[in-house]
Amino acid sequence: GDSVTQMEGPVTLSEEAFLTINCTYTATGYPSLFWYVQYPGEGLQLLLKATKADDKGSNKGFEATYRKETTSFHLEKGSVQVSDSAVYFCALSTLAGNQFYFGTGTSLTVIP
Amino acid sequence: EAQVTQNPRYLITVTGKKLTVTCSQNMNHEYMSWYRQDPGLGLRQIYYSMNVEVTDKGDVPEGYKVSRKEKRNFPLILESPSPNQTSLYFCASSFGGRAVYEQYFGPGTRLTVT
Repeated sequence: GDSVTQMEGPVTLSEEAFLTINCTYTATGYPSLFWYVQYPGEGLQLLLKATKADDKGSNKGFEATYRKETTSFHLEKGSVQVSDSAVYFCALSTLAGNQFYFGTGTSLTVIP
Repeated sequence: EAQVTQNPRYLITVTGKKLTVTCSQNMNHEYMSWYRQDPGLGLRQIYYSMNVEVTDKGDVPEGYKVSRKEKRNFPLILESPSPNQTSLYFCASSFGGRAVYEQYFGPGTRLTVT
């Protein structure tokens, strides 16, 4: 069945470091792909998304490109800030657009 | 303010005592869904609804029921809760009848079953 695998955490970085969180997926056809972020004590918020191959989603300095050939959707940011500390979830929506699958989440802590 | 609300936010109950967690959205969204979040497992979809009177099972539906009689409400029912249903539960809604659009999440309900 459909699934998402993302990089295990936790990840600790110094402020202004480069961030990559790996995400790969298994799905029938071409799903839509998402990154959601969860700040402490809150629900999830959409960070960015891509709905077809080679699309690049971007928001708040974060980027991810939908790579069909490697079935990947890695999250990157060039210079992280303390305020980026959160848990990041990669997710996919099935081709039919009804079911949704999340990865296990990657906790990021950015230290000053 | 556009939002998804859940009640209660925290609940401690005993095995076998039926409970309902309510979810309501004020954005006129067609799609609604319930998830549970457990350490090391991420979020897993319990049930979803693509519109009024249309519901279907997600990945982990055992032990749960839902109903969608009105567009704005999507309650989660645990007929006979068990300790393995102790978890953090999130309701979410999305524009259109599919999950390809942004999902808006509620604040979560932390349930403990003893």
